Amino acid sequence: GNSVTQMEGPVTLSEEAFLTINCTYTATGYPSLFWYVQYPGEGLQLLLKATKADDKGSNKGFEATYRKETTSFHLEKGSVQVSDSAVYFCALTRGSQGNLIFGKGTKLSVKP
Amino acid sequence: KAGVTQTPRYLIKTRGQQVTLSCSPISGHRSVSWYQQTPGQGLQFLFEYFSETQRNKGNFPGRFSGRQFSNSRSEMNVSTLELGDSALYLCASSLEASAKNTEAFFGQGTRLTVV
Repeated sequence: GNSVTQMEGPVTLSEEAFLTINCTYTATGYPSLFWYVQYPGEGLQLLLKATKADDKGSNKGFEATYRKETTSFHLEKGSVQVSDSAVYFCALTRGSQGNLIFGKGTKLSVKP
Repeated sequence: KAGVTQTPRYLIKTRGQQVTLSCSPISGHRSVSWYQQTPGQGLQFLFEYFSETQRNKGNFPGRFSGRQFSNSRSEMNVSTLELGDSALYLCASSLEASAKNTEAFFGQGTRLTVV
């Protein structure tokens, strides 16, 4: 079946450090891929998305590239800030089934 | 514009009771989806409604049900509550029926605690 696997956290970084959160997926066909972010006490917000192979999604300094050959969609940011502290979820949708399938989430803590 | 509104924000219920949660989507959005978030299972899809019809359903027992009204507002109901139903229930709305092509906007959730 369709599934998403992302690196377990928590991840603790110092401000201005480089961030990578790994995400791989299993799906038949051509899923769309997403990164969502959840700040404490809040719902989820779409961070970025990519709908086809080799697409790069980007937003607020975060980037992720849809790699079909490695079935991956790793999230990166060159210089994290304290305000980036949150839980990050990788997700996919596939075909006519529009529901999102989420990874377990990775908690990021950024220290000043 | 107003975001997705979920009520109530917090709820405490006793085992065996039933509960109804409400979700008001963004104005103009016709699709509403529900997700359950727990520390152990993460985010799991419950069901999706579009134009008052259930389009898609996740792998949950029949105790979990929902509906959508003509104004796109949605409710979900859980009957015969179990301790394991304690979770954050998130509602998401989108313009169209598929998250593939339209952004899903999430509410802040309803935190249900079953004691």
